[in-house]
Amino acid sequence: EVQLVESGGGLVQPGGSLRISCAASGFTVYNNYMSWVRQAPGKGLEWVSIIYSGGDTSYADSVKGRFTISRHKSENTMYLQMNSLRPEDTAVYYCATRVTSVWPTLDCWGQGTLVTVSS
Amino acid sequence: EIVLTQSPATLSVSPGERATLSCGASQSVSSNLAWYQQKPGQAPRLLIYGASTRGTGIPARFSGSGSGTEFTLTISSLQSEDFAVYYCQQYNNWPYTFGQGTKLEIK
Repeated sequence: EVQLVESGGGLVQPGGSLRISCAASGFTVYNNYMSWVRQAPGKGLEWVSIIYSGGDTSYADSVKGRFTISRHKSENTMYLQMNSLRPEDTAVYYCATRVTSVWPTLDCWGQGTLVTVSS
Repeated sequence: EIVLTQSPATLSVSPGERATLSCGASQSVSSNLAWYQQKPGQAPRLLIYGASTRGTGIPARFSGSGSGTEFTLTISSLQSEDFAVYYCQQYNNWPYTFGQGTKLEIK
């Protein structure tokens, strides 16, 4: 069974940094397209970043230059390094990927990790 | 950036009835459109991709149609578990964008 588990969320001050993780089981992170999607409290969904199977990355304009997506082969884990955090980055961050559907639709999601940016 | 506009914002329907949700794109996305369902406290669930292909394990009462800029999600006979928020998502151009959602509530 394919499973994604996020961790690392928490409370951070504006301007601070945080790294969140997405551990995968049942498939290989390194050979797949992986994404981060976020949802601010009571709001809709925003696609934050993608790491492609070849290692290229894409970012939403709202996080470009501040967030970095990466992956670790032996740990089978994806990361999102978030720097210069702002209150508007407060959200549940989901990692997600495609298993049986077509890329870039997302048919496998983690449970999400909450990041709160506040003083 | 392609903007997706969903209508209505809230739809009140009785169980057993049909629900029709709309999604309009600011420019053509061909058939590169997906629909997701989200229940409170849960991650989204993929229902439809390619505008009309049901995802794995999705019941046949869910159907999608449309192409270009106008899309529809139809739920033929609403079950209690179908009351949720529904999002459309385009994947024709990066950044991939979601609509603002339609809340489907029990009438």
